[in-house]
Amino acid sequence: DTEVTQTPKHLVMGMTNKKSLKCEQHMGHRAMYWYKQKAKKPPELMFVYSYEKLSINESVPSRFSPECPNSSLLNLHLHALQPEDSALYLCASSPLDRADYGYTFGSGTRLTVV
Amino acid sequence: AQSVAQPEDQVNVAEGNPLTVKCTYSVSGNPYLFWYVQYPNRGLQFLLKYITGDNLVKGSYGFEAEFNKSQTSFHLKKPSALVSDSALYFCAVRAFGGGSYIPTFGRGTSLIVHP
Repeated sequence: DTEVTQTPKHLVMGMTNKKSLKCEQHMGHRAMYWYKQKAKKPPELMFVYSYEKLSINESVPSRFSPECPNSSLLNLHLHALQPEDSALYLCASSPLDRADYGYTFGSGTRLTVV
Repeated sequence: AQSVAQPEDQVNVAEGNPLTVKCTYSVSGNPYLFWYVQYPNRGLQFLLKYITGDNLVKGSYGFEAEFNKSQTSFHLKKPSALVSDSALYFCAVRAFGGGSYIPTFGRGTSLIVHP
């Protein structure tokens, strides 16, 4: 299995809703990442998990809450989002969080906040 | 601080012609350079990387890239473009020893291959 699987593919939520994004990989990768991407822009790093521990939080608002229950699974919990949070949310994984490794990205969750 | 520049928003090329997508970088320390491709409504896909060694790196789908240290460039090339190569291409750099492995992505270059 050489894929990163993200669910759901599309999500529409109101500003008072709570929802979660899910990311799964079975490649044995020990680093996992959440990125936010606006249309035709580069992805922006949100969170880095290394060995299931949060190692980097790029000053992301607390309405985004990451969770790494085990080495294969990464969640992003969403609460009280704003319309400007609408974007493509990408999960990625890497064998280790090291500079010489590239990422395997999932296909993303297209989030619309109404 | 590290940075990546992709000077062209869009590159147009005819099918069958060679293509080049440009990337220049700035880092302190040795650079690790990457190219990713993004098709519409998809995540990014890894194409190739330069870590060390041979300056010409071969990657997926017939793409290659040339690392030029003196010009701090890492241009993506393909000898013969296909219509299916039309996509958004991102160059990225990660620097070893800079205290952070967070990659910096370029702004992206839209490649359009005309039939």
